[in-house]
Amino acid sequence: GEDVEQSLFLSVREGDSSVINCTYTDSSSTYLYWYKQEPGAGLQLLTYIFSNMDMKQDQRLTVLLNKKDKHLSLRIADTQTGDSAIYFCAESMGSSASKIIFGSGTRLSIRP
Amino acid sequence: EPEVTQTPSHQVTQMGQEVILRCVPISNHLYFYWYRQILGQKVEFLVSFYNNEISEKSEIFDDQFSVERPDGSNFTLKIRSTKLEDSAMYFCASREQVNTEAFFGQGTRLTVV
Repeated sequence: GEDVEQSLFLSVREGDSSVINCTYTDSSSTYLYWYKQEPGAGLQLLTYIFSNMDMKQDQRLTVLLNKKDKHLSLRIADTQTGDSAIYFCAESMGSSASKIIFGSGTRLSIRP
Repeated sequence: EPEVTQTPSHQVTQMGQEVILRCVPISNHLYFYWYRQILGQKVEFLVSFYNNEISEKSEIFDDQFSVERPDGSNFTLKIRSTKLEDSAMYFCASREQVNTEAFFGQGTRLTVV
């Protein structure tokens, strides 16, 4: 079946690294995404990774993909208060139109 | 930078009324999608659209829902007779090819009263 799982909450101290984890079920996934949603706002694409890659780094963001375990993680270095948001993991299905399936989202809160 | 735009940003409608949510995808994109997010819940797939027809739809997308691309730029979602449980944020998305990144609009918040 199609499912993307994430933990619901993460709290980190400002300046520390945040690691948000995600597991997915569809082995035919082609793209895996991380979206950020601030309160009352839309979905902002943060980064994505091809399924044939293991790692992608983009400034403070590092995405790690373990395809064997179907595990995806997003690491945010030097977490700031502006990083407070809900982070959605999503996979692009291998179907003809490649619909995107979202996880439930992880609410990241930053403590001083 | 090109973006997906949605109008209106907020729509309030009475139960039983028809609503049309509008989206302008990025101009050279070929694949279009509607998603919804009930308050506090996950983002759910509704429908995908390619080559002027529905490619895939979810169980949520029943006979009350329809999509249309009436011209070369707009992509609309119609709900014929709204129910209270249709209250949600509706997101439109588009992508250039089937295996490229998807861009989402800012959403339309639909409130059914």
